[in-house]
Amino acid sequence: GAVVSQHPSWVICKSGTSVKIECRSLDFQATTMFWYRQFPKQSLMLMATSNEGSKATYEQGVEKDKFLINHASLTLSTLTVTSAHPEDSSFYICSAPPGRDSSYEQYFGPGTRLTVT
Amino acid sequence: KNQVEQSPQSLIILEGKNCTLQCNYTVSPFSNLRWYKQDTGRGPVSLTIMTFSENTKSNGRYTATLDADTKQSSLHITASQLSDSASYICVVSAPGGNNRLAFGKGNQVVVIP
Repeated sequence: GAVVSQHPSWVICKSGTSVKIECRSLDFQATTMFWYRQFPKQSLMLMATSNEGSKATYEQGVEKDKFLINHASLTLSTLTVTSAHPEDSSFYICSAPPGRDSSYEQYFGPGTRLTVT
Repeated sequence: KNQVEQSPQSLIILEGKNCTLQCNYTVSPFSNLRWYKQDTGRGPVSLTIMTFSENTKSNGRYTATLDADTKQSSLHITASQLSDSASYICVVSAPGGNNRLAFGKGNQVVVIP
């Protein structure tokens, strides 16, 4: 089946620094990718929709200047957490639909655990 | 109020036993309903996906049912194994092609020997 990878799988950074997380579709092209955040024992919360070649669409309450998204190719989207703070510590997951209709199926990455000290 | 409610929130079962997880949703109209398995510290992995016209789908020891009239779904795990310990997430998709996914909080299953 389709595979989505994320890198790194975990990262620890100091407060005030920036962290970049990569999401790659390994065996299919994805014009759209999605970024989620998940806190312990909570649902996945959609942060933004990453669109190849255009600006990302952010969900209400998500700061676009803090969570920078770049979808430079059909297989790679990056999420940069700028000026990270301890409250940004969370599990970040990306997903990508193998086809144009994202409402049918999506493949999730393995997630990235971010800890801000 | 969450559009997707799952119960029980958590349960412990003995290895080899069966269990059933419940999902009630209010998303309407909806395109499909999915069940994912999420191991601790990992991303969700798809188990089943059903459109509104399907009422059951199996994937090995996992069987999902769907009643679109009552807006209920269940996931039945047969002959549980230790590796079944995970969170099982019910996700309902609205039609339209955008990412209109409603996630449940998950059923946390712990299988003990």
